[in-house]
Amino acid sequence: AQSVTQPDIHITVSEGASLELRCNYSYGATPYLFWYVQSPGQGLQLLLKYFSGDTLVQGIKGFEAEFKRSQSSFNLRKPSVHWSDAAEYFCAVLGMEYGNKLVFGAGTILRVKS
Amino acid sequence: EAQVTQNPRYLITVTGKKLTVTCSQNMNHEYMSWYRQDPGLGLRQIYYSMNVEVTDKGDVPEGYKVSRKEKRNFPLILESPSPNQTSLYFCASISSQGAGQETQYFGPGTRLLVL
Repeated sequence: AQSVTQPDIHITVSEGASLELRCNYSYGATPYLFWYVQSPGQGLQLLLKYFSGDTLVQGIKGFEAEFKRSQSSFNLRKPSVHWSDAAEYFCAVLGMEYGNKLVFGAGTILRVKS
Repeated sequence: EAQVTQNPRYLITVTGKKLTVTCSQNMNHEYMSWYRQDPGLGLRQIYYSMNVEVTDKGDVPEGYKVSRKEKRNFPLILESPSPNQTSLYFCASISSQGAGQETQYFGPGTRLLVL
């Protein structure tokens, strides 16, 4: 069965600093990978997704993620964080043979210091 | 505008009082799903439906029912809610099955409190 691990429950960065949120997955086949962001009291917004091809994926709001098959990782990065990026971030893997189920990590809460 | 809608957005109820959370999508998607979100656990799938009249259990189906009588609607039913079903619920629909550019579209969420 597929699973997703986000090792960091909370991360605090200063505004303008770079950001990397870690995500490791366990899945037998080629994974479909996603990053979602959830602002307080809001729903889920898709930041970016990886299906195949180029392992560096660009998303919205200046985010990017790199798929590394050898490390089973799909880390999210942003070169310069803005205060509005404070939110909870979820990594997810889509299991086609499990009824198109998205399996989510537990989430990483990002705090931004001014 | 392509969207998934849920109603109600907020609900407070008491133990044992049946309730239904509606979900509707306007994208003609075949696949729909319900998730619950709890702190530290991320989102977990409750039930999913691959087409009209086709539903199946997800990871945490106990205490829930669903129906899929038409493609656009996928209501979540709590026959006898209990406090451990206090959670944030999301409905989602997905564009297609099989390899391709599938993306799950999420509704805005329904926050449920069971007293």
